Amino acid sequence: EAGVTQFPSHSVIEKGQTVTLRCDPISGHDNLYWYRRVMGKEIKFLLHFVKESKQDESGMPNNRFLAERTGGTYSTLKVQPAELEDSGVYFCASSPRWSGRGNEQFFGPGTRLTVL
Amino acid sequence: QQPVQSPQAVILREGEDAVINCSSSKALYSVHWYRQKHGEAPVFLMILLKGGEQKGHEKISASFNEKKQQSSLYLTASQLSYSGTYFCGTEYPVVGAQKLVFGQGTRLTINP
Repeated sequence: EAGVTQFPSHSVIEKGQTVTLRCDPISGHDNLYWYRRVMGKEIKFLLHFVKESKQDESGMPNNRFLAERTGGTYSTLKVQPAELEDSGVYFCASSPRWSGRGNEQFFGPGTRLTVL
Repeated sequence: QQPVQSPQAVILREGEDAVINCSSSKALYSVHWYRQKHGEAPVFLMILLKGGEQKGHEKISASFNEKKQQSSLYLTASQLSYSGTYFCGTEYPVVGAQKLVFGQGTRLTINP
């Protein structure tokens, strides 16, 4: 079974540019999450999709971040325009339909974003 | 709301034991433990659920004290492969929430 994949693995852009990150969850997983880890700090939640619907976007830092999951399969996270503080590793995770008990979240390898 | 992990860093020799703690100021629904090696995806280790159910690796043990809102991860007879940063992720009893709130991580270094 293929795991969660993310593209690109690294991205270096200049302040003010736009970057789009992509996440392909495990096939059949309804839940898709985006997290971010800024250097040396904790992994922070950004948002949660259930299929194509945004279940919780309470962690999105501001309106420069736009996440989509058209068709309920892969997801994209666009940062426009990028700022220096957006640098970090962006993780995507997926889990099966909620069973009413704690669900393991499967993480992708992350996209390392550097904004210069 | 972020859980607090302790210690922040541990250095051990191969074969020694370690305990990593995770404390929350709010009532928990579940605690998830992950290990991340540099440049790699966080890898799931264990889930501890309210009520005592556990899911995870057989060789790793953990406890969940619901009253104290604490969880501990026990790494016994550590191997070099155990090195990495350990994160606890807490899930709170909000219907449909499911997001994980992670602690700041505990860096574990195992030396030969």
